[in-house]
Amino acid sequence: GAGVSQSPRYKVAKRGQDVALRCDPISGHVSLFWYQQALGQGPEFLTYFQNEAQLDKSGLPSDRFFAERPEGSVSTLKIQRTQQEDSAVYLCASSPGLVDTQYFGPGTRLTVL
Amino acid sequence: AQSVTQPDIHITVSEGASLELRCNYSYGATPYLFWYVQSPGQGLQLLLKYFSGDTLVQGIKGFEAEFKRSQSSFNLRKPSVHWSDAAEYFCAVGGRMDSNYQLIWGAGTKLIIKP
Repeated sequence: GAGVSQSPRYKVAKRGQDVALRCDPISGHVSLFWYQQALGQGPEFLTYFQNEAQLDKSGLPSDRFFAERPEGSVSTLKIQRTQQEDSAVYLCASSPGLVDTQYFGPGTRLTVL
Repeated sequence: AQSVTQPDIHITVSEGASLELRCNYSYGATPYLFWYVQSPGQGLQLLLKYFSGDTLVQGIKGFEAEFKRSQSSFNLRKPSVHWSDAAEYFCAVGGRMDSNYQLIWGAGTKLIIKP
């Protein structure tokens, strides 16, 4: 069956531009997670949704980062006024429930010049 | 503080040799433990997980891991590696903390296979 998909796969932005990253989770999965993975590091938690509710956004690094999942399915991670330190791979994962295996998308590699 | 340590940044193993990747964690509640593999340009794929029960868990691709509570470890093993196992391996721990749930990840171990 279809897995988690993310788009775009690669994004190059000039410093100061706004970007929007999309995640399509596995159909029917309740939970959706966003992670940031810097080069040579493990993923770091950004935020978590249960259906349309954003239950935890403690990992968002600044108020320039915003995520939404308005209908409890597709999610968008938006970064305003991008900075060079935002360059990373952004991973989306979904899972059937709260405490369950997370299935990952291929990620979006963001490069801020 | 919650943390996951993978002490080895790189490991080089000859094809056909056995493998053990180390993972130690610090977690304030009953941990759920995972090993994921990430190949270049690919997403993270679950190898195996431990939630409860038998502390020796079997995963895909011939991998296994053993949960040792007394040592706070969850080491990954494979008796004979194949060239296709070359990838980066991540250990992660999660659980119910303050009614939220998130995975804490190690920094990864890059596995290099010698022919």
